[in-house]
Amino acid sequence: AQKVTQAQTEISVVEKEDVTLDCVYETRDTTYYLFWYKQPPSGELVFLIRRNSFDEQNEISGRYSWNFQKSTSSFNFTITASQVVDSAVYFCALSENRGSARQLTFGSGTQLTVLP
Amino acid sequence: DAGVTQSPTHLIKTRGQQVTLRCSPKSGHDTVSWYQQALGQGPQFIFQYYEEEERQRGNFPDRFSGHQFPNYSSELNVNALLLGDSALYLCASSPPAVKTQYFGPGTRLLVL
Repeated sequence: AQKVTQAQTEISVVEKEDVTLDCVYETRDTTYYLFWYKQPPSGELVFLIRRNSFDEQNEISGRYSWNFQKSTSSFNFTITASQVVDSAVYFCALSENRGSARQLTFGSGTQLTVLP
Repeated sequence: DAGVTQSPTHLIKTRGQQVTLRCSPKSGHDTVSWYQQALGQGPQFIFQYYEEEERQRGNFPDRFSGHQFPNYSSELNVNALLLGDSALYLCASSPPAVKTQYFGPGTRLLVL
């Protein structure tokens, strides 16, 4: 069975601070996909990134960066110079690669509040 | 290009009633998944439809059923509603052979 753990329930930072959201996953598959989604108060989940288990390169997109480490089963997300608009709930998710199945298993989310 | 759309946006029902939620996937997407998100929790997978068939199902009772139409749109039906069914119901679609799922705005269901 697969599992995603986001141990940080809530994080509060002041604008322009850097913040890292932690994600630890469990899976027995050797091939899998990891995702991060952002959920603003409106409720819609916004896709941020997908990472294949074979690709451990870190990725940077503007103020966002992701650190994937298979050795520790972690896929952490860092926001640099945070802004008030970054306030949202962030979810890490895992999808195993079993045939055509594409079920996403989500963590419980981290509520990020960026204060002005 | 319209994203995933869902209707209605909000719904109030009473225990024992039945409800139907609707989802239209993004253009070019052929797979639709449904998730239930209780307050303060992460989304839980209900089921996934592809080529009008249920391809995978999560740990939900048979009261939850679905359908996919030839135009790839989908419905989620819940019978004999319970108070615990109150949640945000999210629909997600994905294009052929792509693992990423794109979500709609959800339907907020309140069961009284």
